[in-house]
Amino acid sequence: NAGVTQTPKFRILKIGQSMTLQCTQDMNHNYMYWYRQDPGMGLKLIYYSVGAGITDKGEVPNGYNVSRSTTEDFPLRLELAAPSQTSVYFCASSYSSGTWDTDTQYFGPGTRLTVL
Amino acid sequence: AQTVTQSQPEMSVQEAETVTLSCTYDTSENNYYLFWYKQPPSRQMILVIRQEAYKQQNATENRFSVNFQKAAKSFSLKISDSQLGDTAMYFCAFTGAGNNRKLIWGLGTSLAVNP
Repeated sequence: NAGVTQTPKFRILKIGQSMTLQCTQDMNHNYMYWYRQDPGMGLKLIYYSVGAGITDKGEVPNGYNVSRSTTEDFPLRLELAAPSQTSVYFCASSYSSGTWDTDTQYFGPGTRLTVL
Repeated sequence: AQTVTQSQPEMSVQEAETVTLSCTYDTSENNYYLFWYKQPPSRQMILVIRQEAYKQQNATENRFSVNFQKAAKSFSLKISDSQLGDTAMYFCAFTGAGNNRKLIWGLGTSLAVNP
């Protein structure tokens, strides 16, 4: 299994440009998450999904959009890039059967985004 | 509000020695999970260890072990026989029944293992 994969690894955007960060997992996990990590800080949740067709906002959703049309893919869309969105973006996934047995989140390698 | 606090922004340890990283959390829930994640310079986020709140026994994974004190809401990580590859940021995280499985993160502790 590849686990959680993210593309691209690095990207530089100009203010006002748009882009989509791709995230794919091959572990058949139902939960997927997008985080951002600013320098010297912990992770902040942007959006998450509990299954295909279901998404919800996290702590810092403004300026982002997501969709979840399949179990495997959870892309993150930046519509009008701003310098405040310069960060490292992590996608993660986990499986939950509804009990408390499995809640470990597995992370992708991250995408480093710079907005100039 | 649920919070996770890591009071040590930076720590260092000599190779082969033991180090303990502190984490405290605040919650009113009874059922929850606690995690330690490691982020090396490569920036990959790697699970180190996890603890279920309903288990009294402390979790261990090879050289890594936790001291889980539920009443004190404390969850420290002990690294034994430290290795150079342990140099990384270490994040403590919490998820409870009321979070819909969202993780709440501490700000991290930067650990340097010196040769």
